[in-house]
Amino acid sequence: DGGITQSPKYLFRKEGQNVTLSCEQNLNHDAMYWYRQDPGQGLRLIYYSQIVNDFQKGDIAEGYSVSREKKESFPLTVTSAQKNPTAFYLCASSIGDRGNNEQFFGPGTRLTVL
Amino acid sequence: GENVEQHPSTLSVQEGDSAVIKCTYSDSASNYFPWYKQELGKRPQLIIDIRSNVGEKKDQRIAVTLNKTAKHFSLHITETQPEDSAVYFCAASKGSASKIIFGSGTRLSIRP
Repeated sequence: DGGITQSPKYLFRKEGQNVTLSCEQNLNHDAMYWYRQDPGQGLRLIYYSQIVNDFQKGDIAEGYSVSREKKESFPLTVTSAQKNPTAFYLCASSIGDRGNNEQFFGPGTRLTVL
Repeated sequence: GENVEQHPSTLSVQEGDSAVIKCTYSDSASNYFPWYKQELGKRPQLIIDIRSNVGEKKDQRIAVTLNKTAKHFSLHITETQPEDSAVYFCAASKGSASKIIFGSGTRLSIRP
């Protein structure tokens, strides 16, 4: 299970606040991803990054922002513009910049908006 | 955009019986099809994958089949055991796009 970590495990946020979820990997992977998991909806891609200092929007990027200043780190900020942020967030990484490589997932962060 | 549909959403089978989960994809350029297993409270993990140049792949009790013409692929689990209980996700990718589109998941329960 080692190699990709997320923190915190649980996060509570008041409405109107921005929060940042951490994702770190020591697998030397080029590509990193953020997914949102809701019951019955599978894994939906928020943002992904193929290399440092570059990232692309996924299918549900509105209300989220990311940065990729280091290869090892891909933090996700959930802004106050995200209308329904309560969800389970999963970070993943893969070896190359091609989509046909195994993705390794972190343990996830459960975000609850109070 | 590319879409992956997965059925059924829930599946209950008797221990020892087989389970089949089916997925269809929309983009004919997709060439990589992984399956992930997520046990309760844990992270998804790859259990098997198949590429478009083969029609079937087996790994012990699990197998995946691919029909490119019909754009569908299936996961087959034989001789099911209690530890097979989990949520299973199919996915499809075009390889060079660096995106994997996931299905909505199937919750598999094994009855003793």
